Amino acid sequence: SQQGEEDPQALSIQEGENATMNCSYKTSINNLQWYRQNSGRGLVHLILIRSNEREKHSGRLRVTLDTSKKSSSLLITASRAADTASYFCATDAQLVNNAGGTSYGKLTFGQGTILTVHP
Amino acid sequence: EAQVTQNPRYLITVTGKKLTVTCSQNMNHEYMSWYRQDPGLGLRQIYYSMNVEVTDKGDVPEGYKVSRKEKRNFPLILESPSPNQTSLYFCASSFLGTGYNEQFFGPGTRLTVL
Repeated sequence: SQQGEEDPQALSIQEGENATMNCSYKTSINNLQWYRQNSGRGLVHLILIRSNEREKHSGRLRVTLDTSKKSSSLLITASRAADTASYFCATDAQLVNNAGGTSYGKLTFGQGTILTVHP
Repeated sequence: EAQVTQNPRYLITVTGKKLTVTCSQNMNHEYMSWYRQDPGLGLRQIYYSMNVEVTDKGDVPEGYKVSRKEKRNFPLILESPSPNQTSLYFCASSFLGTGYNEQFFGPGTRLTVL
């Protein structure tokens, strides 16, 4: 089943406006990460928020995490045309390996939000 | 420059012809992973490796093989490619596991199987 699911699927705004994207997940997590992807290119890490954190900032980015609601949001303030891209949330999952231990090996991505910022 | 490289970047092949997509990182990362990206399905993990000689299945491992003989390399092998493996493939690496650190992604390999 899909772990991280973004909302909305697509967002179109004018330069200077704020963009908010949401992510919901189903199981307990250790952290939640946001990535950006320009069309057809590799993903670039934006920000990581741990399960014991509620809010984190990085430049024009603000991420919140509500573990009780199993949701996160990414806010991009004062958007620019260069922010046009797809944005993905990703959650990790604890796994039990064959030896019965616990490994952190599975990063699950949502389907992404396509953000278009018009000049 | 710290990076993850993949080769080839583009590949068109035919059903059943074995192929290998290479992945290499120069950051001494323990963790490496392969994903495929398809429209409407997002990124799905194929295989991952926690360290040399340690590999595990992701969400969609069927039809793929991997190996981790050296820390820096993590090739993806398609023994008998089929058209449903047409996709955009990404290799990624990080320190430790995903619970701690960001993943660095390669530029992608666009594979078409006819």
